[in-house]
Amino acid sequence: DAGVTQSPTHLIKTRGQQVTLRCSPKSGHDTVSWYQQALGQGPQFIFQYYEEEERQRGNFPDRFSGHQFPNYSSELNVNALLLGDSALYLCASSSLAGSDTQYFGPGTRLTVL
Amino acid sequence: AQSVTQLGSHVSVSEGALVLLRCNYSSSVPPYLFWYVQYPNQGLQLLLKYTSAATLVKGINGFEAEFKKSETSFHLTKPSAHMSDAAEYFCAVTRGGGSTLGRLYFGRGTQLTVWP
Repeated sequence: DAGVTQSPTHLIKTRGQQVTLRCSPKSGHDTVSWYQQALGQGPQFIFQYYEEEERQRGNFPDRFSGHQFPNYSSELNVNALLLGDSALYLCASSSLAGSDTQYFGPGTRLTVL
Repeated sequence: AQSVTQLGSHVSVSEGALVLLRCNYSSSVPPYLFWYVQYPNQGLQLLLKYTSAATLVKGINGFEAEFKKSETSFHLTKPSAHMSDAAEYFCAVTRGGGSTLGRLYFGRGTQLTVWP
């Protein structure tokens, strides 16, 4: 049973560029949440997707957007990158109907130069 | 709203000693509580969770935690530390309620160092 997978593992971008991160949820899960973990900090919630719609959103600007596909996989897009966007981006999946736990992927390390 | 405070950003113990990592939470509704572990350059792995059943929760790798509503605490313990326990530990809270799985609010983490 494959767990949560994320791609790419590492990414280097320059200020002002745009980036897309990808996540495939654990088998049987239909909900995907994205978190940003800055160096030395705990993860901060960005948003959550269910049934291809954004259900909840944390305190992040509109430069952060997402999408969920019919197969439940998800993308996180960040436009107009800032140096402060450098972080580990974590995807977590869960089942809205039956699970009380979010399972995390290995993350994508984004460095903005 | 929910929040978590982890007391002590760094904890050091000798191998074989008791591990105690502190977590206090704030929640306006009955909470679900979690402990996750993060090894270097990896994602988060679930250690254990409290979801309104038994207040003493046992997890993987010999860890356990006790939910104390009166103290709003959910401290993580392990009787005997092992070198492989060295990692960052995060406490997290979300609103309870079963099928409505909300966002997780994380603490800032506690780095555990185990000395030989």
